[in-house]
Amino acid sequence: GQQVMQIPQYQHVQEGEDFTTYCNSSTTLSNIQWYKQRPGGHPVFLIQLVKSGEVKKQKRLTFQFGEAKKNSSLHITATQTTDVGTYFCAGAGGYQKVTFGTGTKLQVIP
Amino acid sequence: DVKVTQSSRYLVKRTGEKVFLECVQDMDHENMFWYRQDPGLGLRLIYFSYDVKMKEKGDIPEGYSVSREKKERFSLILESASTNQTSMYLCASSSLNQPQHFGDGTRLSIL
Repeated sequence: GQQVMQIPQYQHVQEGEDFTTYCNSSTTLSNIQWYKQRPGGHPVFLIQLVKSGEVKKQKRLTFQFGEAKKNSSLHITATQTTDVGTYFCAGAGGYQKVTFGTGTKLQVIP
Repeated sequence: DVKVTQSSRYLVKRTGEKVFLECVQDMDHENMFWYRQDPGLGLRLIYFSYDVKMKEKGDIPEGYSVSREKKERFSLILESASTNQTSMYLCASSSLNQPQHFGDGTRLSIL
């Protein structure tokens, strides 16, 4: 079945440094979604990418979807303590079903 | 705003018990999902439903069943709870091809 891997599993950064998490699917995706889960909270939707090579920005966050629609990345510029949490990608391949990546846990050191 | 409500935040049960986890959404979404979340493993799909009385197995359905008698309610059933089912359980709902909205989760401990 479809597998979605994320790296790294953990990342510690100093406040102000940049951060990137990468997502790779074993199969071609119809779209990819990104979610953020704050400590003690539930995943909250951030963005969805649909087109090959698509790039979207949300303030300091930049999301990319690969040309082959099998990989994606999330880049945060100048991290802040409010960015702390676990970031998940979720790839849609089959009907109404998405497969979540393993997540990247971000810790920001003030 | 979408509201997905899970019946319990914390639950403690004994091995062999039949356990029911309830989830209700208020946005008339077609799709509902049950996941379990374990450290280092991310969110793993147990079952999902795209319509009333319809269900599809996810990636780890063994030891679980589900029920969707009404559109707004999706129940997860542990037929005979075992210690390896101790986990955080998350329910989610969505419209067709739209992002998922999650409940707050139920932390289930099986003793």
